[in-house]
Amino acid sequence: NAGVTQTPKFRVLKTGQSMTLLCAQDMNHEYMYWYRQDPGMGLRLIHYSVGEGTTAKGEVPDGYNVSRLKKQNFLLGLESAAPSQTSVYFCASTPARRSSEAFFGQGTRLTVV
Amino acid sequence: QQPVQSPQAVILREGEDAVINCSSSKALYSVHWYRQKHGEAPVFLMILLKGGEQKGHEKISASFNEKKQQSSLYLTASQLSYSGTYFCGTERTGANNLFFGTGTRLTVIP
Repeated sequence: NAGVTQTPKFRVLKTGQSMTLLCAQDMNHEYMYWYRQDPGMGLRLIHYSVGEGTTAKGEVPDGYNVSRLKKQNFLLGLESAAPSQTSVYFCASTPARRSSEAFFGQGTRLTVV
Repeated sequence: QQPVQSPQAVILREGEDAVINCSSSKALYSVHWYRQKHGEAPVFLMILLKGGEQKGHEKISASFNEKKQQSSLYLTASQLSYSGTYFCGTERTGANNLFFGTGTRLTVIP
């Protein structure tokens, strides 16, 4: 099993450009999450989804949009990238039952210049 | 909504013990603990549910005090492989999301 796969692993964007990060999981998990990780700030929740067709805002949703059209995929979009969005992005998934282990992807390192 | 972790960083010699704390201002349903090596994804260690239980994983154990909304991770007889950043993750009562703390960087030296 691949688990949670993020695409791409690295990307450099110019300010104002747009892009989409893809998260795919093959564990039939209901819940999926997008986090960003910055030095000294830990993992901060951007958006999350509790099932196909649903999304909700986390702690730091501004500047990002998400979609969960298929259960196995959770997309994170940046419509107009800003240098403040330079970060490492992690996707995670958990089963529907509460208090389950979260499985993380390997991360996407995004630099906005 | 992020839980608060302390200390931010700690350096240990092999064989020494450490405690990492995690606290929240919200009512918690559970607390997760993860370890992240540099350049890698976080890896699950354990989950504690409300009820004050204590769990163990080799020489790493944790407790959860639901009345105080606090959890502590105990690392005993530390090994070089314990080095990394430790994160607590919290699930609030009545919520479906998972928030992580700012992390504690643990360095074990020979």
